[in-house]
Amino acid sequence: AQTVTQSQPEMSVQEAETVTLSCTYDTSESNYYLFWYKQPPSRQMILVIRQEAYKQQNATENRFSVNFQKAAKSFSLKISDSQLGDTAMYFCAFMKRGGSEKLVFGKGTKLTVNP
Amino acid sequence: GAVVSQHPSRVICKSGTSVKIECRSLDFQATTMFWYRQFPKQSLMLMATSNEGSKATYEQGVEKDKFLINHASLTLSTLTVTSAHPEDSSFYICSATVPDTQYFGPGTRLTVL
Repeated sequence: AQTVTQSQPEMSVQEAETVTLSCTYDTSESNYYLFWYKQPPSRQMILVIRQEAYKQQNATENRFSVNFQKAAKSFSLKISDSQLGDTAMYFCAFMKRGGSEKLVFGKGTKLTVNP
Repeated sequence: GAVVSQHPSRVICKSGTSVKIECRSLDFQATTMFWYRQFPKQSLMLMATSNEGSKATYEQGVEKDKFLINHASLTLSTLTVTSAHPEDSSFYICSATVPDTQYFGPGTRLTVL
C-alpha cells in the first residue's frame, strides 16, 4: 500500500517571499502520478500541480513548482512570490498509473501568508 | 475546463430523514466519480468509488446501506445519506476524473439535528 507523509502540519511565510512544502511517499510502483491540491477556507479542493513520475522534468505552474526526486521518493512544492490568497491547506497526493484512479492523501500542511 | 458542481452546498435535516447530494461534471464526461468525507482540520477520507452503470465500491468501514450511491449517467453521481443521525454531520466532497486526474466539487456541509 502507498503512503504519503507531510511532516509540516503548519507553516507561515511573509507576503512576496518563497516557501517550500515537503512531501514524501512510499510505494513499490514505478508508474504513478503525484499531485498538490490546495484547500482554501472555502474548502474547495483546487488542483495546483501534477507530476508524472516517468517524466524527469519538474512540473511548474506559474508561481508554483515542484522538486521531484524519484529515488528519494520526495515531492516538495515551492511557492514563489507568496500572495495572501495562497493561504490554505495544501495536500500532497499519490495516484497509481493504470489503476483505479484513487488518490492517497497526506495529512496536509496549513500555510498562512502574512502581510 | 474540468468543472465539478455539487448541490446542495449546505443542508440541515432532522434525525431519521434522508438527504441526497448531487455531483455533476459540467464540461466533461466522467466514468468514475469519488465520494469523500472530511472532518474538521483533517484530510479527505475516501468513502466510495462510483462507476457509471455499475454498483459503487465502498471503502472498508463505510456502510453501503446508509450511504447509497447512484451513478446513472456520465455526468451525474448522487450520494443519499439514509436515516441520517447527528454523527453523520460532516463535509462531503465529490470528485470526477478525467484520465488520471481528479477534479473536486465545492463540497456539501451536512448538519443533522
